Amino acid sequence: GQQVMQIPQYQHVQEGEDFTTYCNSSTTLSNIQWYKQRPGGHPVFLIQLVKSGEVKKQKRLTFQFGEAKKNSSLHITATQTTDVGTYFCVYNFNKFYFGSGTKLNVKP
Amino acid sequence: GAGVSQSPSNKVTEKGKDVELRCDPISGHTALYWYRQSLGQGLEFLIYFQGNSAPDKSGLPSDRFSAERTGGSVSTLTIQRTQQEDSAVYLCASSPEGGRLAETQYFGPGTRLLVL
Repeated sequence: GQQVMQIPQYQHVQEGEDFTTYCNSSTTLSNIQWYKQRPGGHPVFLIQLVKSGEVKKQKRLTFQFGEAKKNSSLHITATQTTDVGTYFCVYNFNKFYFGSGTKLNVKP
Repeated sequence: GAGVSQSPSNKVTEKGKDVELRCDPISGHTALYWYRQSLGQGLEFLIYFQGNSAPDKSGLPSDRFSAERTGGSVSTLTIQRTQQEDSAVYLCASSPEGGRLAETQYFGPGTRLLVL
């Protein structure tokens, strides 16, 4: 079945540092979605990418979809403590396939 | 409007007992998903309902797990003869049509199950 691999598993940064999580697939993806789960909360949709090479921004968050549509990344510039949580990439094909997630901890 | 709701929010049970977890999806959403999330772990897909189609049960970990969706709306996840390893947060999500491009999932708050 479809699988998306996500790295790193954990990331600890100092507040103000940048953060990036990567999502990779061995097969071409028609789309990729990103969700954020705050500690003790449930996953919340952030964004969807569908076009080759697509780049979307939400304030300090930049999302990219690779040219070959086999990888994606989420980059956070100048992290804040409110960015703490687990970020999941998700592939939507008949059903939703979740990556393993990257848990971000931001030290104030 | 109302989001996805789940009940109970917390459940403590004794090993060997049966439990039922309930999910009310967003009104009109035809697709419903159950996931399990152990402490500090990612989401484990359990089962997927899409309209009147046969559910995708490929994620159910054992025959002690079953789920129903009545009338295309409310769903119940049943765990029989619970084991300590069943302790986790059980998340329900719904989406308008299921698997269609540009769809997103909307998650409920989850049920935290603790098996003693």
